[in-house]
Amino acid sequence: SAVISQKPSRDICQRGTSLTIQCQVDSQVTMMFWYRQQPGQSLTLIATANQGSEATYESGFVIDKFPISRPNLTFSTLTVSNMSPEDSSIYLCSVRTGGATNEKLFFGSGTQLSVL
Amino acid sequence: KNEVEQSPQNLTAQEGEFITINCSYSVGISALHWLQQHPGGGIVSLFMLSSGKKKHGRLIATINIQEKHSSLHITASHPRDSAVYICAVRGADGLTFGKGTHLIIQP
Repeated sequence: SAVISQKPSRDICQRGTSLTIQCQVDSQVTMMFWYRQQPGQSLTLIATANQGSEATYESGFVIDKFPISRPNLTFSTLTVSNMSPEDSSIYLCSVRTGGATNEKLFFGSGTQLSVL
Repeated sequence: KNEVEQSPQNLTAQEGEFITINCSYSVGISALHWLQQHPGGGIVSLFMLSSGKKKHGRLIATINIQEKHSSLHITASHPRDSAVYICAVRGADGLTFGKGTHLIIQP
């Protein structure tokens, strides 16, 4: 089992500013995943954060726009940089436990971001 | 790339009704997850299936690997079941999520 504390839960930001989202897990995990959920759309993986190495970004997402930190096995941050209204979404962090036959997924409570 | 389709997109029902939400996918998978998302965005895992059927309380999930289809059933539905239900499949290219089914149970 894993409990993830994510903050902030919501924020309203001005265009051009940056917001950092934090996730704290109550157990050590190798990988943490960051997702974006645009209105009416499915979850899209932004990047996978590994402790001690650079995050791995999915196609369409770049480090300059979404820098990620992973200083230890229980904590990660995602920054949404130079925001525009198109960045208005729910952002979620996630971890998984178990293997192929008993995988479990755990998610943070989400950050609802609105950019004006 | 796996394509995940959920139906219906929206469902409004009366308290006590039997609810069925469907999920179809296009490419073979190793596991399928049913997730529940409440207003505010937080997501809770309900089931992980690789075959057959699982039951937890009033929730039942089934999967047919040959037909590439899964269903989530809610018996004796209650207003607190109102949420978005998301299907996610684990394939060779990772997790692919459906867009979700928005369920409203009216008292």
